[in-house]
Amino acid sequence: QVQLVQSGPEMKKPGSSVKVSCKASGDSFNSHAIHWVRQAPGQGLEWMGGMLPLSGTADFAQKFQGRVTMTTDESTTTVFMYLSSLKSEDTAIYYCARDRYSERSGVSVFNYWGQGTLVTVSS
Amino acid sequence: DIVMTQSPDSLAVSLGERATINCKSSQSVLYSSKNKNYLAWYQQKPGQPPRLLIYLASSRESGVPDRFSGSGSGTDFTLTINSLQAEDVAIYYCQQYYSTPASFGQGTKLEIK
Repeated sequence: QVQLVQSGPEMKKPGSSVKVSCKASGDSFNSHAIHWVRQAPGQGLEWMGGMLPLSGTADFAQKFQGRVTMTTDESTTTVFMYLSSLKSEDTAIYYCARDRYSERSGVSVFNYWGQGTLVTVSS
Repeated sequence: DIVMTQSPDSLAVSLGERATINCKSSQSVLYSSKNKNYLAWYQQKPGQPPRLLIYLASSRESGVPDRFSGSGSGTDFTLTINSLQAEDVAIYYCQQYYSTPASFGQGTKLEIK
């Protein structure tokens, strides 16, 4: 059974960076892309980007280009998302989500989700 | 970028009745060479992550009750929930995955009348 377990809540100052982790278990780690979707308080869903661990290929929404980085650690089957130059508008729940399809990069549909990580940006 | 617009924003339906949610994309999400629409539907309950219900516009994800169905093609899509149950109270989102960036509708809040 596939599970995605994310790191705990974060409180950050404007201008700083945050790292959120997503540990995958239960299936072949490398072959399914992991994406990040965020949800501001009381708002809808916003796709940020995704990475296929197998190839290291990553695809980001232009809105986040230059501010977001994604890396993987195969030894711990964990994906990391780094967001820099934080602003108050980045306050949101950040979800990792797995591509329903294997060995595919780019936008897709997501059938497994992490529990979410609340990132609060405030001075 | 493709803009997804759902209607209505909120909906109240009696138990056992049918709920219908619409989703319109600003451009077609039909991949012509495969004749497949890259459109998904998710359900989100308070305090939980989204749950995939429907992909390729009309394919039901494993474990999803058959009272949930999706239809439509091109730019106009519908999620239908037959025989509404109390546990169906949630916010429903459509999502296109035809092109980057993936985009979601604003959500439709479904309540019991």
